[in-house]
Amino acid sequence: AQSVTQLGSHVSVSEGALVLLRCNYSSSVPPYLFWYVQYPNQGLQLLLKYTSAATLVKGINGFEAEFKKSETSFHLTKPSAHMSDAAEYFCAVSGPGGGKLIFGQGTELSVKP
Amino acid sequence: SAVISQKPSRDICQRGTSLTIQCQVDSQVTMMFWYRQQPGQSLTLIATANQGSEATYESGFVIDKFPISRPNLTFSTLTVSNMSPEDSSIYLCSVGEGGPVEQYFGPGTRLTVT
Repeated sequence: AQSVTQLGSHVSVSEGALVLLRCNYSSSVPPYLFWYVQYPNQGLQLLLKYTSAATLVKGINGFEAEFKKSETSFHLTKPSAHMSDAAEYFCAVSGPGGGKLIFGQGTELSVKP
Repeated sequence: SAVISQKPSRDICQRGTSLTIQCQVDSQVTMMFWYRQQPGQSLTLIATANQGSEATYESGFVIDKFPISRPNLTFSTLTVSNMSPEDSSIYLCSVGEGGPVEQYFGPGTRLTVT
């Protein structure tokens, strides 16, 4: 069975500071991993994905994530937070071939001026 | 990526009634999914709807409560039947495309049951 755990339901950073959102996964098969962002009253937007190629994945809006098999982690980072980054972030996992996504509980990111 | 629209965007319904949510995609896609996002919660897959076959429901979701249609490769509907306040959620459809399958989400339908 697959599962995802996001550490920290709320993360607050200052504008310009490093953003680090944590995601750990459990999977008995090589996983595909995704980060999505949800702005208030909107659907989900794909930020980036890991598909067993490069372990460091770059996404949109300056975000990136590193797949670490030994740590079963896929943490999301951004060097410098912007006010517009304030949103809910979801980590998700699927098995080979895609299909069903299993989501973490989400992390709400707040950015202080 | 595909452009996905949903109707209605929001609705307030009385308990015991049913609501049908539409999902329209601007291109043909094989895989469509329906998710539920309860207030303050994450997303949970309700069912997978592939054209030409019966929808596949996840544990805890049944066809009588959430009937799904998938008449063609660009459209699907989800009906929430005999609603109760516990059905108040955001319902999102998504489509799978690319390989490995990425999913792109519609804007969601915000349902409130009174």
